[in-house]
Amino acid sequence: SQQGEEDPQALSIQEGENATMNCSYKTSINNLQWYRQNSGRGLVHLILIRSNEREKHSGRLRVTLDTSKKSSSLLITASRAADTASYFCATGGGSGNTPLVFGKGTRLSVIA
Amino acid sequence: KAGVTQTPRYLIKTRGQQVTLSCSPISGHRSVSWYQQTPGQGLQFLFEYFSETQRNKGNFPGRFSGRQFSNSRSEMNVSTLELGDSALYLCATEVGGRSGANVLTFGAGSRLTVL
Repeated sequence: SQQGEEDPQALSIQEGENATMNCSYKTSINNLQWYRQNSGRGLVHLILIRSNEREKHSGRLRVTLDTSKKSSSLLITASRAADTASYFCATGGGSGNTPLVFGKGTRLSVIA
Repeated sequence: KAGVTQTPRYLIKTRGQQVTLSCSPISGHRSVSWYQQTPGQGLQFLFEYFSETQRNKGNFPGRFSGRQFSNSRSEMNVSTLELGDSALYLCATEVGGRSGANVLTFGAGSRLTVL
């Protein structure tokens, strides 16, 4: 079963705008990760946020985590056409004892 | 160092046939996880191997099987293929990180089409 659910399913924005994607999950977590997938390729790890962290930054990426609401958001600032991809949140893991469970993703299109 | 290598990248099979997919993890890494990705179901966990032992298994029928060799290379096999097995099969290796978080590095995938 899916642990994380991303929202919206699809998002289309103009280059230079910010893109916000949300993820909701069901059970307690140790950490939450975001991955990116270019069309038909493998996933690439973007950022990990631990359950005791509320916000984390990496370049143009900003991730927030609200464990009371069981939700996370990924913000991409000043988007570029090259950011066009699908973005997935993932939960689980923890020293490899449980597998990562992925949501169905948000498909982001950045129009130049 | 080389990343996760999956072969073949594309293949076409017919219903009833079987298929074997291969994955070589990053050199020196011993874990291999397999996922099936379809438009309708998203990414579904198949199984995970570590040092030749299956460590976790997803909710797939027995037609889906896997194994890992002593050099950490892994194979997954799907027998008696069905149309619904058409998918992108992704392999990943755990690269850890701080606190042992299960950060995965993925291969490019094997695209299976069943006709």
